[in-house]
Amino acid sequence: QSVLTQPRSVSGSPGQSVTISCTGTSSDVGGYNFVSWYQQHPGKAPKLMIYDVSKRPSGVPDRFSGSKSGNTASLTISGLQAEDEADYYCCSYAGSYTFVVFGGGTKLTVL
Amino acid sequence: EVQLVESGGGLVQPGRSLRLSCAASGFTFDDYAMHWVRQAPGKGLEWVSSISWSRGSIGYADYVKGRFTISRDNAKNSLYLQMNSLRAEDTALYYCAKDLLQGGTHPTNAVDIWGQGTMVTVSS
Repeated sequence: QSVLTQPRSVSGSPGQSVTISCTGTSSDVGGYNFVSWYQQHPGKAPKLMIYDVSKRPSGVPDRFSGSKSGNTASLTISGLQAEDEADYYCCSYAGSYTFVVFGGGTKLTVL
Repeated sequence: EVQLVESGGGLVQPGRSLRLSCAASGFTFDDYAMHWVRQAPGKGLEWVSSISWSRGSIGYADYVKGRFTISRDNAKNSLYLQMNSLRAEDTALYYCAKDLLQGGTHPTNAVDIWGQGTMVTVSS
């Protein structure tokens, strides 16, 4: 069982927006502004999409945005495109003892 | 080109050991923390271990603590994972990954470069 809780699946039509939630505790998501999000297509390595809650690495479209409120972080994808269909994982720093925790992943389906 | 290439995976019996290696190229290896992340077949990502560039900060997930040891050789641009007392539940694709932050004193949870992974299967 993953430390961070994500919905198992979400879906949306092309052009729409979807939001994926990631719920943790005050020991991880709520305690630090260090939440990251990864996109993984089948058979591929994960790709960093968001770090430090809301920052985008170079090359990631601004359709991807991140936010946090309390113990819950969110990834919003606007203007959905077919290539956005993938698994998405949230990840949080959890202190100098545990370091890193992942969510269980959310499968995004573009209808 | 920035690249991470893992090796050392394979089929191993429960209780035995295996050593994974990760060869890094295309960036200044000793400027970055490094990570091992695994993914069991059909399952999600699972953090295994991280090491800072200076080896001064090292961490392990509870489920591998005491059995796995992470290390690095900055002169050889290489990361390692010594896995002892392997269990069936350690079966997974093991990814080597580079931290986003240059020169940080501690590993972060932002990983910008991943290898393609090396498969470890623990079975009798």
